[in-house]
Amino acid sequence: QSALTQPPSASGSPGQSVTISCTGTSSDVGGHNYVSWYQQHPGRAPKLMIYEVSKRPSGVPDRFSGSKSGNTASLTVSGLQAEDEADYYCGSYAGGNNWVFGGGTKLTVL
Amino acid sequence: QVQLVESGGGVVQPGRSLRLSCAASGLTFRNYGMHWVRQAPGKGLEWVAIISYDGKNQYYGEFVKGRFTISRDNSKNTLYLQMNSLRDEDTAVYYCAGDRNWNWFDPWGQGTLVTVSS
Repeated sequence: QSALTQPPSASGSPGQSVTISCTGTSSDVGGHNYVSWYQQHPGRAPKLMIYEVSKRPSGVPDRFSGSKSGNTASLTVSGLQAEDEADYYCGSYAGGNNWVFGGGTKLTVL
Repeated sequence: QVQLVESGGGVVQPGRSLRLSCAASGLTFRNYGMHWVRQAPGKGLEWVAIISYDGKNQYYGEFVKGRFTISRDNSKNTLYLQMNSLRDEDTAVYYCAGDRNWNWFDPWGQGTLVTVSS
């Protein structure tokens, strides 16, 4: 199972919006609405930010939103804040009781 | 307060074995499927294995190739990962994570570092 494809880096100024893409195949991202996104600060455990493509867990700011088109999912962070600077990973159910993650995107707040 | 606490990591020689544990509190453990996910130093997340809420079903990433075994003891609210025939490339932080719906990872533990080195 190959990893999902994410850009290695993304950046934006405070208050701006940034979108991170996550490209897979029809077996994973495109085949299920089970895409999730995780935020990881250095030295910390990942934290669930989005599940089932576009749903936000309780406590996650509504500045974070998710979407999907075909084999590509996206995470958008609006109104960037300094604390949003972190690594972001997408994950997807890949069928056959397998899961796959993206390679991660380092988000820098300029 | 929901908490997953991993333990059992350390330095081990190639070819040897190690057993990781993940103690759960603040959640109804028996209602959760449970994953192990690993992260090599400076690298991304890699899914390792999942076990169903009742322990009856286990599934593994392709790279495991029969070397790892995931198990759980719901009476002790604890998840395990038995790792045999360890290789240098198994060096990583190993996280346990809950999954109530068999499709996302939440909550996560803080991770335990496994270093395979001679």
